Order: sequence, then C-alpha cells, then structure tokens
Amino acid sequence: QKEVEQDPGPLSVPEGAIVSLNCTYSNSAFQYFMWYRQYSRKGPELLMYTYSSGNKEDGRFTAQVDKSSKYISLFIRDSQPSDSATYLCAMTTLNAGNNRKLIWGLGTSLAVNP
Amino acid sequence: EPEVTQTPSHQVTQMGQEVILRCVPISNHLYFYWYRQILGQKVEFLVSFYNNEISEKSEIFDDQFSVERPDGSNFTLKIRSTKLEDSAMYFCASGRASYNEQFFGPGTRLTVL
Repeated sequence: QKEVEQDPGPLSVPEGAIVSLNCTYSNSAFQYFMWYRQYSRKGPELLMYTYSSGNKEDGRFTAQVDKSSKYISLFIRDSQPSDSATYLCAMTTLNAGNNRKLIWGLGTSLAVNP
Repeated sequence: EPEVTQTPSHQVTQMGQEVILRCVPISNHLYFYWYRQILGQKVEFLVSFYNNEISEKSEIFDDQFSVERPDGSNFTLKIRSTKLEDSAMYFCASGRASYNEQFFGPGTRLTVL
C-alpha cells in the first residue's frame, strides 16, 4: 500500500466554486500535515500546516485532518482563476531525531475557469 | 519576505559529469533538505541535514551524492557522475529548529544527456 495517495485529477471548476482536495495515508505515525501549491515548473509553496487532528482556517483555505480515517482535506472557498495550480499534500512523523523528511502525494491539478 | 534561492535554474550536463547544485536557505533556519521531482512523479526526499551532518538519507542518495554547507550560508548538492535517470527538478528546502514547516526554493532543472 502506498504511503500517501492523492487523486491527480485534473479537477476543473467554475470561478467561485468550493474546491475539495483530499489525501489518504497509511502510516499512523504521521503527525504533521501540510498542503503545498505548485505552479508549473516552480517550487512548492506552503499553504497550510496542521498538527494532528482538527481544522485550521486561513482566509479562503481550510485544512482538515481526520487521523482516525487517515484522511486529510483542503477546502478552497470562492475559488479564483489564480488558484489554478497543482496542490500537493505532504506529511511527516514526530520523532526524537532531527529528521523531518516529508512524504508526498502525487498532487492534484486544479483549473478554475473564469 | 525571506526566501530560499537556488542556482542555476537549469543545468544541462553530459552523462558521467559532475554537477553541483547550489542553495541559499533562509538565514535563521537550521534544518536543510534536498528533494527531487522527476516529471510527472511524486516529490521524493533525498537527504536532510542538521548541525553540519546528514540526519537521514533516502535510498536514492547513494555514494554518487554528497551535500555540504561550506560557509554557513550556502548548501550544496553534488552528484559525482551523473546518470540519465538523475534528470529531474531538484528542490532545496529549509526549516526553523522547532517547527516543521519547510520552505522550498524554485528548483534547479537538471537535464542529463
């Protein structure tokens, strides 16, 4: 079973729609969950960062973590054409060492149409 | 706003040649990473670096790879003898000591011919 699974899409929505992006994972040791946005041929840009379970909101973005289901989500409200990008989930464990390697999903390609 | 920078943006090399990819992490960060992304595939962890030593390396990071922080600001990834399959985007990332957010540079596209 793959550690992190993410539907690559593509996902196409009209401007103003609510977008739901999701990842599932298999390693119950994951404690930190991130969402990155990546424009074509650019580096990943950190959007949201969540520790353990619960919700976190930042402007039009809401990240949710359900550790019991090993499922994380990113919601984008009032989506804009500028939100068109690939959205990657990434996660890591909490361990005693200094290693914080991120394990990544494949990324979901999102197109918001004007 | 401080950011991670990487040079060059694109490197073309012949198979078997050595390449050095350079990164300048955010100045007050203590954790440094290299990742790579082959076109159409997941981002893959290569190596993490803290306190002037490697914390962890992946199976990809074999004897052909090395990292160095030569002067307290730069962080380099060296590939001694490049292979065709090393062609990828290479991303440097850095993070602060007690946080887990990692901030990425724009990447270096390595093309091995």
